[in-house]
Amino acid sequence: GAGVSQSPSNKVTEKGKDVELRCDPISGHTALYWYRQRLGQGLEFLIYFQGNSAPDKSGLPSDRFSAERTGESVSTLTIQRTQQEDSAVYLCASRIAGAYEQYFGPGTRLTVT
Amino acid sequence: KNEVEQSPQNLTAQEGEFITINCSYSVGISALHWLQQHPGGGIVSLFMLSSGKKKHGRLIATINIQEKHSSLHITASHPRDSAVYICAVRPAQKLVFGQGTRLTINP
Repeated sequence: GAGVSQSPSNKVTEKGKDVELRCDPISGHTALYWYRQRLGQGLEFLIYFQGNSAPDKSGLPSDRFSAERTGESVSTLTIQRTQQEDSAVYLCASRIAGAYEQYFGPGTRLTVT
Repeated sequence: KNEVEQSPQNLTAQEGEFITINCSYSVGISALHWLQQHPGGGIVSLFMLSSGKKKHGRLIATINIQEKHSSLHITASHPRDSAVYICAVRPAQKLVFGQGTRLTINP
């Protein structure tokens, strides 16, 4: 079956522009996570969706970052007024309810010039 | 201090050597994950542990809950094992990641 997919795979944008990143989780996976990995650094948690519960937004670094999820399907991560420090690989992962293992997407490499 | 500390940060070894990567954490957890990230960036889940030991091929992962410590071992290492190995713990619903260990296996 299909794994987690993300689009675009690469995005170059100018400072100050808004970007939208998309994640399609594995079908039936109720939990969805967004992570960020800056160059040479470890993974950072951004936001977590679980079913219809309120998302855990505790990892979002500023109010320029927001994310939405439609039901138990696709999620979008939006970064407004991008800054150079937003340059990173943004990874999405999903898991099935009650299970621990997360399945990662290939990531979107965002470069802010 | 990070909640998850890995050592070493970088490790270079010759093909065939036995490899150990360590992970220590400071929070109570329900599970610990070992992940592998290849140079292209893709992340693969290797193990999920809540106690004891797991083995998959040449990979072995152990965890000591009382000591808050886990190790990942690779036997008969091979250049294709070259990757970043990431320890992640699960204190709640979200994962907390170590900084990763960059492993390079030379032929």
